[in-house]
Amino acid sequence: AQSVTQLGSHVSVSEGALVLLRCNYSSSVPPYLFWYVQYPNQGLQLLLKYTTGATLVKGINGFEAEFKKSETSFHLTKPSAHMSDAAEYFCAVSSGGSNYKLTFGKGTLLTVNP
Amino acid sequence: DTEVTQTPKHLVMGMTNKKSLKCEQHMGHRAMYWYKQKAKKPPELMFVYSYEKLSINESVPSRFSPECPNSSLLNLHLHALQPEDSALYLCASSQERAGQPQHFGDGTRLSIL
Repeated sequence: AQSVTQLGSHVSVSEGALVLLRCNYSSSVPPYLFWYVQYPNQGLQLLLKYTTGATLVKGINGFEAEFKKSETSFHLTKPSAHMSDAAEYFCAVSSGGSNYKLTFGKGTLLTVNP
Repeated sequence: DTEVTQTPKHLVMGMTNKKSLKCEQHMGHRAMYWYKQKAKKPPELMFVYSYEKLSINESVPSRFSPECPNSSLLNLHLHALQPEDSALYLCASSQERAGQPQHFGDGTRLSIL
C-alpha cells in the first residue's frame, strides 16, 4: 500500500519569498514521486518527477524537489515566489507495477501576497 | 497548451439525460485514465484502460460507462446521473511503463440538475 501526506492544506507566502511545500510518502517498494500543479479551471500539470538517479530534481517554473529516502520526503521548493505561482499543488506517488495507479496527497493551496 | 484534449469543457444535464464525455491524445500513450475531482479535493481514479482494454474499475457506479474505441480516444458515457456526480472529470494518459507521468487534460465541468 502507498500513501502521501502533504503537511499544510494552505501555505501563504509573500512575493519573492521562499516557497516550501511538504510531502511525505509511504511505499512498500521504491517509489516514483511526482508534483503536479493545478490552476483554477484547469487540469493537472506535471511540475517534476523522481524515478531513479539524482535525488535533487529540477522542474518547470523554477521549482525543484529533493528525494530523501531516510526521511521518506519529497518536499517542493522555489527560491522566490511569483504571483503566478498561486495554485493548488498535489504530491503523488506510484509504486509502478502493472497498474500505474497514482496516489495523491490532499493538496496544498499556495497563495502569494504582493 | 495541453496535449490531452477533452470535450466539452462544460456540461449541464438533467438526471434523466444521456451524454458522453470525450478525450483524445496523440502522444502514442497506451494507458488512459478517467478521474473525478470534487472541489478542493485531489482527483479520484475511476477507470484505467491499457492497450484499449479496461484494466481497472474502481467500483464506479454503472451509470458511468467507459469506452476506448481506439488508442487515441477515450469516452465516458453518462446516464441517469445523480446531483452528487457534479464534479470536474479529468482524462489522463501515460506511457505503459512504470514511473511514467500521467498527462492530464483540462477536464469537463459537469453539473447535474
